Amino acid sequence: QKEVEQDPGPLSVPEGAIVSLNCTYSNSAFQYFMWYRQYSRKGPELLMYTYSSGNKEDGRFTAQVDKSSKYISLFIRDSQPSDSATYLCAMRGGNEKLTFGTGTRLTIIP
Amino acid sequence: GAVVSQHPSWVICKSGTSVKIECRSLDFQATTMFWYRQFPKQSLMLMATSNEGSKATYEQGVEKDKFLINHASLTLSTLTVTSAHPEDSSFYICSAGETRQPSLGFGPGTRLTVL
Repeated sequence: QKEVEQDPGPLSVPEGAIVSLNCTYSNSAFQYFMWYRQYSRKGPELLMYTYSSGNKEDGRFTAQVDKSSKYISLFIRDSQPSDSATYLCAMRGGNEKLTFGTGTRLTIIP
Repeated sequence: GAVVSQHPSWVICKSGTSVKIECRSLDFQATTMFWYRQFPKQSLMLMATSNEGSKATYEQGVEKDKFLINHASLTLSTLTVTSAHPEDSSFYICSAGETRQPSLGFGPGTRLTVL
């Protein structure tokens, strides 16, 4: 079993829809949870990070962490074609080493 | 914060030659830098972790004599692919962090093509 599981997609939604991206994990030591966006042939760009359980909102993006269920989510409201990218969840414990999900390819259809 | 640069952004080389990729943290001192490789439509695979002034720690299956990592300062780490072969063609990405920063900045990546 992988430490972090993420549905690779691809996921296609119409412009303006709410997008829900999810990851599950098995390592209870993970404390920091991050979402990265990666455009084709570019490095990952940090979108959100949260510490422990709870919600965090930044503009159209909301990150949720449920440590009891070992489940994290990223919601994108009012999705735009420019949101089309691969979204990677990542998490870490007390050291700096990140464990990544496989990434979900998202396409927003105009 | 956490701005990371990489150079070059792409490189084409002949089989058997060596290629050096630089990773720099621009607005902070990076106690730790990570090197990843990424194949098309796949996630990032961690190759090694480097700490300033000490030897890099390589992940299982990564040849340390082939992928030489030097973290000479708190703002610079280099990855040298020695005697490159076509199967080394990939997208190489570095990231950098510091102990109190939970999220890491990533470089823009270097696309290596070995002919």
